[in-house]
Amino acid sequence: DQQVKQNSPSLSVQEGRISILNCDYTNSMFDYFLWYKKYPAEGPTFLISISSIKDKNEDGRFTVFLNKSAKHLSLHIVPSQPGDSAVYFCAASAIQGAQKLVFGQGTRLTINP
Amino acid sequence: DAGITQSPRHKVTETGTPVTLRCHQTENHRYMYWYRQDPGHGLRLIHYSYGVKDTDKGEVSDGYSVSRSKTEDFLLTLESATSSQTSVYFCAISAGPLYNEQFFGPGTRLTVL
Repeated sequence: DQQVKQNSPSLSVQEGRISILNCDYTNSMFDYFLWYKKYPAEGPTFLISISSIKDKNEDGRFTVFLNKSAKHLSLHIVPSQPGDSAVYFCAASAIQGAQKLVFGQGTRLTINP
Repeated sequence: DAGITQSPRHKVTETGTPVTLRCHQTENHRYMYWYRQDPGHGLRLIHYSYGVKDTDKGEVSDGYSVSRSKTEDFLLTLESATSSQTSVYFCAISAGPLYNEQFFGPGTRLTVL
């Protein structure tokens, strides 16, 4: 049972435009959500997070939106840059407990010049 | 940089051979994790530790054991490697105000022939 799903395996966006990556979850106990970026042959890098008491969190070009009723979150990157080309993973956890993360399958983002 | 190193970075072994992967951290973090990354699955939790000699199973723990005799080291052992354990293995630590943000090491690519 995949509790966190990223239904788009890949996404291609033109440089300068907005990239929108989506993530859905099924477990209503999740109350903290994170996005990671991964380049080949490197470990995932933490990008941005949001707790369930918020519906939006912004950090520079990156904004995460959370829709709790739909159990959906999205990552917006504006403007997209070539260095943003990577695999993006969303992850979820319950604040109470051992802080275990459940990851989605990942979305490969390609930024075209 | 969370001060996490993994060794070895690459390993090729044969079916039935025992293998131990090492994760080392330098910043006295309490929580440590082992994940494996496979295409189509994202990252999946194998085992985690919440202190010296305190460990617990994750989502895909069968065929793996762990040990943590010192705060800085978390070892993952494949008692008898199988081809299904060919994967990239990542170690992580928890940090941040609520310890909900995890930071990853560079990974170990393991091939079991």
